[in-house]
Amino acid sequence: GQQVMQIPQYQHVQEGEDFTTYCNSSTTLSNIQWYKQRPGGHPVFLIQLVKSGEVKKQKRLTFQFGEAKKNSSLHITATQTTDVGTYFCAGPNAGGTSYGKLTFGQGTILTVHP
Amino acid sequence: ETGVTQTPRHLVMGMTNKKSLKCEQHLGHNAMYWYKQSAKKPLELMFVYNFKEQTENNSVPSRFSPECPNSSHLFLHLHTLQPEDSALYLCASSQDRAGATDTQYFGPGTRLTVL
Repeated sequence: GQQVMQIPQYQHVQEGEDFTTYCNSSTTLSNIQWYKQRPGGHPVFLIQLVKSGEVKKQKRLTFQFGEAKKNSSLHITATQTTDVGTYFCAGPNAGGTSYGKLTFGQGTILTVHP
Repeated sequence: ETGVTQTPRHLVMGMTNKKSLKCEQHLGHNAMYWYKQSAKKPLELMFVYNFKEQTENNSVPSRFSPECPNSSHLFLHLHTLQPEDSALYLCASSQDRAGATDTQYFGPGTRLTVL
């Protein structure tokens, strides 16, 4: 079945440093979504990328979708303590009864030291 | 955020107990989901309902029994659970438009502990 892998599993940074998490799918994706889960919270949608090579920015966050639509990345510039949490990528399942449903990566847990 | 609510927020139960988790969405969505989130594991999709019909059951043990009486409400009935079932149970909903991959909106979750 479809697999969505994320690396690294954990990332510890000093406040002000940059952070990147990578997402790789075993299959070509029609789109990819990113979610953030704060400690003790629930996943919250951040963004969806649809086009090959697409790059979107949200303030200090930059999201990229690979040309082959099998990988994606999230880059945070100059991290702040408010960025702590787990970042998940998710891709839709293609075909069968799971069509349109999401497969989540295992997430990257970001810790920011002040 | 109050689009998707879940009750209770915390639940402690013994292995012989029967309890139910409730989820309600106020977003007018057509699809609802149950996920299990354990420590150091990815989100595990358990059940999917589209227009009240179950369309996905990811090999979930029968001690978990979902119920979807209408598009706004989703229940997860629990009985004779095991300690390894302790986890955060998240409910989510999406609009589920044909041909689209819609954003999923998550509830706050129920933190379940099985003794």
